[in-house]
Amino acid sequence: DTEVTQTPKHLVMGMTNKKSLKCEQHMGHRAMYWYKQKAKKPPELMFVYSYEKLSINESVPSRFSPECPNSSLLNLHLHALQPEDSALYLCASSPWGGGVGNQPQHFGDGTRLSIL
Amino acid sequence: KNQVEQSPQSLIILEGKNCTLQCNYTVSPFSNLRWYKQDTGRGPVSLTIMTFSENTKSNGRYTATLDADTKQSSLHITASQLSDSASYICVVSVDSNYQLIWGAGTKLIIKP
Repeated sequence: DTEVTQTPKHLVMGMTNKKSLKCEQHMGHRAMYWYKQKAKKPPELMFVYSYEKLSINESVPSRFSPECPNSSLLNLHLHALQPEDSALYLCASSPWGGGVGNQPQHFGDGTRLSIL
Repeated sequence: KNQVEQSPQSLIILEGKNCTLQCNYTVSPFSNLRWYKQDTGRGPVSLTIMTFSENTKSNGRYTATLDADTKQSSLHITASQLSDSASYICVVSVDSNYQLIWGAGTKLIIKP
């Protein structure tokens, strides 16, 4: 079992739906990340939260909206997605904020998202 | 341009055999190099993290080496097991906030 928990594991939604992905960690980590991974490709960074504040947004379309309600929880709100947004969405955490540096990243097992 | 290249793209070996995966990078300024194992449908799991001054690091049957002069790294797997079947990804950290350059990975298949 991973220490970063993502729910749901699978999600199928239409292009007009609104849904949210959830990520939790109870390791006391202060940096959390969202990645998007297409089949047979490495993960692509989307957002970084450092000490519960958004510090990096890698030019992600506004149909993806991140939220960090507290230091243990990270959400990704989805609205009006496109078929090309179908992918594995991974959450990760690191002990400290302020730059990944030499810190390890702990990944969840992801949410497999399919857009119809 | 910062790049990480891995070889081979895929590899099939018999259970119990050893293998070595390669990673070449052109990343500057360099902070550290990581190897991850990713099982199909799972998130990546960190195997090793090496800084500039470290030449080798082990994690069980996995041993990573780093040559910062030639900008090359390798991951050696000893006495392979069926559970080693996965993608192995080399990632180099740029010495700035959060930028990680990911390789495309090597898909390793262990056959009984």
